[in-house]
Amino acid sequence: GAVVSQHPSWVICKSGTSVKIECRSLDFQATTMFWYRQFPKQSLMLMATSNEGSKATYEQGVEKDKFLINHASLTLSTLTVTSAHPEDSSFYICSAHGTLSSTYEQYFGPGTRLTVT
Amino acid sequence: TQLLEQSPQFLSIQEGENLTVYCNSSSVFSSLQWYRQEPGEGPVLLVTVVTGGEVKKLKRLTFQFGDARKDSSLHITAAQPGDTGLYLCAGPDSGGYNKLIFGAGTRLAVHP
Repeated sequence: GAVVSQHPSWVICKSGTSVKIECRSLDFQATTMFWYRQFPKQSLMLMATSNEGSKATYEQGVEKDKFLINHASLTLSTLTVTSAHPEDSSFYICSAHGTLSSTYEQYFGPGTRLTVT
Repeated sequence: TQLLEQSPQFLSIQEGENLTVYCNSSSVFSSLQWYRQEPGEGPVLLVTVVTGGEVKKLKRLTFQFGDARKDSSLHITAAQPGDTGLYLCAGPDSGGYNKLIFGAGTRLAVHP
């Protein structure tokens, strides 16, 4: 149980284009989904928290107009990186908290490696 | 401000050795979690400790939650190359919304 998938697992895009990353909870309902960014050899940095049917809450310093988050259903959240630049290249990981989670437990997706050329 | 400090940052050992990783804070946490992340993958939840003084075992891994719920440790007995990875401790963010605060991680390499 508690499986979270991400798609795509890796993506290469040109500077100035937009990229959408999907995060799905496969066997449970995710009331809350989280989006993290991870630079090489570093820990996770929380970007935003999204609850189904409401606007995402962004962490300080994260541009909400650049990183668009949609949580339209209890099993799907999407992160769109708009007008991507090389500095947006990173490992993006989503996690979900929901009906299978004890308090505060999160289940993570496998991550998406974004390279902007 | 809640902070989780992990030590050591890096650990390189030979197969069969024992090791302990620490996660410390000046804040009290209602629970702490340990995750392991392998390169190119997302973190995988290993355990959640909830009660002060609690000890949980997962095969060769032993997790302990401090009596005051401010610290935790992970002990691995007879480490194997398959234990290689980034070990992260995490605790609830007092800001709510089920957010977690993560430590910086301990990067473990076990050599055959």
